[in-house]
Amino acid sequence: EVQLVESGGGLVQPGGSLRLSCAASGFTFSNDWMAWVRQAPGKGLEWVADINQDGSDKKYVDSVKGRFTISRDNAEDSLFLQMNSLGAEDTAVYYCAREFFRGWGMWGQGTMVTVSS
Amino acid sequence: EIVLTQSPATLSLSPGERATLSCRASQSVSSYLAWYQQKPGQAPRLLIYGASNRATGIPARFSGSGSGTDFTLSISSLEPEDFAVYYCQQRNNWPITFGQGTRLEIK
Repeated sequence: EVQLVESGGGLVQPGGSLRLSCAASGFTFSNDWMAWVRQAPGKGLEWVADINQDGSDKKYVDSVKGRFTISRDNAEDSLFLQMNSLGAEDTAVYYCAREFFRGWGMWGQGTMVTVSS
Repeated sequence: EIVLTQSPATLSLSPGERATLSCRASQSVSSYLAWYQQKPGQAPRLLIYGASNRATGIPARFSGSGSGTDFTLSISSLEPEDFAVYYCQQRNNWPITFGQGTRLEIK
């Protein structure tokens, strides 16, 4: 089955860290740019980070630069997001997404990250 | 950063009517504009890519048009399942940005 499945979300204290994972299946993961997109409760969509096929090119939204790191393991068909120095503004559902002609044609179900004391 | 402004914020229509949603960019995004539909509790679904190309499995009643700074998503005859939030997104320049969304609600 062609799918993306995120995991690793949860409740974390301000200043803490969390590592999200996204397991891909049913397609050739190493062929595609991949991304993380988040959505704060009741809010719109916000792109977080992108990574190219071999992991050599990474892009971030300014608000997470220096705190978040996107990576991938093509041998394991997995995408990751290491999140450090988390703040309340990072509370959101985090989706991994597969690029399709400069859009995202496949999305995971999302994993919730809550930053609170 | 390219700002995408969607209008209207909310659109109230009845099933069978035509919907026209607008997305305006603060600078040219060429044709690198996508549209998504999102229903409550679900991930977004890609409808249109490259401004006017329907994604796989998207019904023909959905169409996209425009280039440069002005784009339109049209739904020719609304079905009950079309009532949702719609977002535009550009990938011409970094950072990738989304519009704030248009909520399409049943009148």
